[in-house]
Amino acid sequence: GQNIDQPTEMTATEGAIVQINCTYQTSGFNGLFWYQQHAGEAPTFLSYNVLDGLEEKGRFSSFLSRSKGYSYLLLKELQMKDSASYLCAGWDPNDYKLSFGAGTTVTVRA
Amino acid sequence: GAVVSQHPSRVICKSGTSVKIECRSLDFQATTMFWYRQFPKKSLMLMATSNEGSKATYEQGVEKDKFLINHASLTLSTLTVTSAHPEDSSFYICSARGPPNEQFFGPGTRLTVL
Repeated sequence: GQNIDQPTEMTATEGAIVQINCTYQTSGFNGLFWYQQHAGEAPTFLSYNVLDGLEEKGRFSSFLSRSKGYSYLLLKELQMKDSASYLCAGWDPNDYKLSFGAGTTVTVRA
Repeated sequence: GAVVSQHPSRVICKSGTSVKIECRSLDFQATTMFWYRQFPKKSLMLMATSNEGSKATYEQGVEKDKFLINHASLTLSTLTVTSAHPEDSSFYICSARGPPNEQFFGPGTRLTVL
């Protein structure tokens, strides 16, 4: 299984940058996912890191350090539509299950 | 990306009735599908892993006789909430494991039991 921690809430201003940290403790590891979830909707895939380093995809970037059990999701040039819950999830190769963190609710203010 | 559909998207039923939720992978075959439930402002909790052609694997604390799962084909898994009660009201989400190693989520089903 996996134990995944991330902050509960974050607030930022439109146009700013926000970094959401995620730490994990796992008996097995096969990658770290980030999902975005708007209220009342299913999660949508944002990123998947399996190797150390930073992966950039437009305004969103994700970083992974396997030795530290640490990842972050970086949201740049924040827009109002980015207000959502961001879920960190680890994939256990032993059973192919995704274990989710509790989610970080990001509120973007004008 | 791959598409997973769920039906119905929203259901309201009376206490004591059974509700069936379908999860379909539309453009890929999924030998494994997952069922989650999510309470308001909480994260997704895995209920069970649905395997095509075999019995589902339930997470600890999930009643298998209450939440019946059938994975009849490589593109369809169903979750039946039997004798539903108000405490079963929740957002139920399925996902399917597709290539290369990604999970694709359905749009979710909001169940309200009166």
